Amino acid sequence: ELKVEQNPLFLSMQEGKNYTIYCNYSTTSDRLYWYRQDPGKSLESLFVLLSNGAVKQEGRLMASLDTKARLSTLHITAAVHDLSATYFCAVEEGRNQFYFGTGTSLTVIP
Amino acid sequence: ETGVTQSPTHLIKTRGQQVTLRCSSQSGHNTVSWYQQALGQGPQFIFQYYREEENGRGNFPPRFSGLQFPNYSSELNVNALELDDSALYLCASSQGRIHPYEQYFGPGTRLTVT
Repeated sequence: ELKVEQNPLFLSMQEGKNYTIYCNYSTTSDRLYWYRQDPGKSLESLFVLLSNGAVKQEGRLMASLDTKARLSTLHITAAVHDLSATYFCAVEEGRNQFYFGTGTSLTVIP
Repeated sequence: ETGVTQSPTHLIKTRGQQVTLRCSSQSGHNTVSWYQQALGQGPQFIFQYYREEENGRGNFPPRFSGLQFPNYSSELNVNALELDDSALYLCASSQGRIHPYEQYFGPGTRLTVT
């Protein structure tokens, strides 16, 4: 069974600092998605990564994909409080099946 | 907010009962996927419907079934409810089979089974 592991599971960081969330997966898929979920809310699409070496940036977030290492990273630059949320990566496998990681709960402290 | 709506928002059922959850997809989207998200966990893929046909299924028993209607709205039916079925049920709509699968999630239905 496909496994998607994120680390850390919980992350508390100060405003202005940089940090990286890691997403490891056990399949050869080259389609990786990142989502954000605020407490009590639904999922918001952040990035879609479709090939080895793909890199996408939006504001203070940058995502990358290394399909050979089966690893995606979500890098946070100069964190601000508004980034506090839970972040999920999801791998697309085979016939439109999406497997999510357990999520990384990020808290940005002033 | 996305244009995906779900109903009801919250639901409480008793073990052994049956439940139907509903999802209206975003305008122009013909694909709907359903997910189960237990507390503190990531969403788990239940199944996907494309143009009224099942187009992929996760590791869920047959008592989880679905439908998609000609207007691309969808239903998730769960029979013989178990306590472990308590979760947030999310639907997501997307456009066709063309990648990327930019999925737009609805607000979810919180199901509690007692």
